[in-house]
Amino acid sequence: AQSVTQPDIHITVSEGASLELRCNYSYGATPYLFWYVQSPGQGLQLLLKYFSGDTLVQGIKGFEAEFKRSQSSFNLRKPSVHWSDAAEYFCAVGPNTNAGKSTFGDGTTLTVKP
Amino acid sequence: DADVTQTPRNRITKTGKRIMLECSQTKGHDRMYWYRQDPGLGLRLIYYSFDVKDINKGEISDGYSVSRQAQAKFSLSLESAIPNQTALYFCATSDIRGSGEQFFGPGTRLTVL
Repeated sequence: AQSVTQPDIHITVSEGASLELRCNYSYGATPYLFWYVQSPGQGLQLLLKYFSGDTLVQGIKGFEAEFKRSQSSFNLRKPSVHWSDAAEYFCAVGPNTNAGKSTFGDGTTLTVKP
Repeated sequence: DADVTQTPRNRITKTGKRIMLECSQTKGHDRMYWYRQDPGLGLRLIYYSFDVKDINKGEISDGYSVSRQAQAKFSLSLESAIPNQTALYFCATSDIRGSGEQFFGPGTRLTVL
């Protein structure tokens, strides 16, 4: 069975500081991996995804993530956080056959200090 | 216009009432999903449908039912609402030809008193 762990429930960073949100997954083969963002009062929006090729993927809003098979991780990073990045972030894993459904982590809430 | 819409956006109801949440999409996707979100619990899958004739239970389907009226419409019903069904409910879609990315509606906040 596939599963996702986001170890950090809540992270606080200062505006302009760098950010890394952790995601560990469990899946028997190479999965599809996703990061979504949920701004207050909104639905989830895809930030980026990995399904093959270059293990460093670029997304929207200046985010990137690196797939590390040996560590079963797909951590999200941003070099300089903006106040508008305050939101909840979800990592998700899906089967690479596209025959199934994704499993979401419990989410990490990001607070940005002025 | 939004690609995935949900109605109502907010609903307050009483224990024992039947309630329906509706989802419509204009993305032309075959796959549709219903999730609930509770603080600290992330997103939990209630039901999903890979086409009009294919309905599947998710991890927390007890107390819920669904109807896929058309490719574009997927409704979630609570036959007899109870307070622990108070949550934020999301509908999502995905393209069978895609890489599993899901497109979410804005959510319905349901309160059961």
